[in-house]
Amino acid sequence: NAGVMQNPRHLVRRRGQEARLRCSPMKGHSHVYWYRQLPEEGLKFMVYLQKENIIDESGMPKERFSAEFPKEGPSILRIQQVVRGDSAAYFCASSPGTGSSYNEQFFGPGTRLTVL
Amino acid sequence: QKEVEQDPGPLSVPEGAIVSLNCTYSNSAFQYFMWYRQYSRKGPELLMYTYSSGNKEDGRFTAQVDKSSKYISLFIRDSQPSDSATYLCAMRSSSNTGKLIFGQGTTLQVKP
Repeated sequence: NAGVMQNPRHLVRRRGQEARLRCSPMKGHSHVYWYRQLPEEGLKFMVYLQKENIIDESGMPKERFSAEFPKEGPSILRIQQVVRGDSAAYFCASSPGTGSSYNEQFFGPGTRLTVL
Repeated sequence: QKEVEQDPGPLSVPEGAIVSLNCTYSNSAFQYFMWYRQYSRKGPELLMYTYSSGNKEDGRFTAQVDKSSKYISLFIRDSQPSDSATYLCAMRSSSNTGKLIFGQGTTLQVKP
């Protein structure tokens, strides 16, 4: 049973370029969460999505960042016009959404974004 | 003041020691409490998941929640070098947002 998949694992972008991070949740999971981990800091919540719906985006920066979880395919976290401060590890987590463990979140391996 | 406080350490113990990791929090609405283990440059791995107050044991790991003191703990018995990692506490309220609030993480080193 594959866990949460994220790709790419490492992504290098120059300032001003776009970054697209992909997340495939665990099989049977319909809820996806994105977190960001800056060096020497804990994980910070960014956004919570269900299929075709954004449930909570209170942690998303107001500009340049967007997320989606379409009916088919992976969830995408998109960062436009990246700046050096966007360099971080971005983690995706998923949860079943139903059942006794409906809100237990399982994390993927992360995408490490480096902005030159 | 951060919502969740966790001593970053590092904490160094000899193999076989009992390890105690702790977090305090300020938001009385938190109902779900978790401990994650994160190895260097890897994703967090869910270790323990508890609801409200009380104890939960799983193998060498015991999680305790004291809501009256807003204090949670993770105990590791018979610690092993393979337990060397960063341990993150996380918590959330009973609302439907699913948003987890994490502590900074405590780095643990178990020396052979």
